[in-house]
Amino acid sequence: GNSVTQMEGPVTLSEEAFLTINCTYTATGYPSLFWYVQYPGEGLQLLLKATKADDKGSNKGFEATYRKETTSFHLEKGSVQVSDSAVYFCALRVFGNEKLTFGTGTRLTIIP
Amino acid sequence: ETGVTQSPTHLIKTRGQQVTLRCSSQSGHNTVSWYQQALGQGPQFIFQYYREEENGRGNFPPRFSGLQFPNYSSELNVNALELDDSALYLCASSPAGGSYNEQFFGPGTRLTVL
Repeated sequence: GNSVTQMEGPVTLSEEAFLTINCTYTATGYPSLFWYVQYPGEGLQLLLKATKADDKGSNKGFEATYRKETTSFHLEKGSVQVSDSAVYFCALRVFGNEKLTFGTGTRLTIIP
Repeated sequence: ETGVTQSPTHLIKTRGQQVTLRCSSQSGHNTVSWYQQALGQGPQFIFQYYREEENGRGNFPPRFSGLQFPNYSSELNVNALELDDSALYLCASSPAGGSYNEQFFGPGTRLTVL
């Protein structure tokens, strides 16, 4: 079956620090990979995505590269801000199936 | 353009009761998916509706059921509520066709079962 494993949180960083949140996956078929963000009291928002190997998704300074050889899609940001504090979810979707499979989420807190 | 909306925001029920949650999809979207997010967990897929028909189901018992209406809004019904049904229920809509279309999520309904 399909599954996503995320780095356990919570993660606490100082403002302007470098961020990495690890994500690995197992999939039958060829998945698209996503990072979603959930701010307090809100629903999920798509942060970035990649649909094939070696693609790099990027948005708002965040980046993740689809690594088929290591089945990974790690999220990175060079300099985090307080406003980045949220819960981040890695997810996959296999072609032909609209269902998203999520990881358990990583809570990120940025302190000034 | 109005995004995905859900109602109610919060709901408290007792064990054994029935509940109906509602979702209005984003304009132009004909596919609605429902997810259950338990506290501290990632969302789990319940089912999806496409053009008023169920189009895929996750590992949830039959007491979880749904409907989609001609305007593509949707309902999630849960019968015989159990304590473990306490969760945030998320609705997501996506546009017609294509497996790479983004799913747009609503803010969710927080259900508490006592």
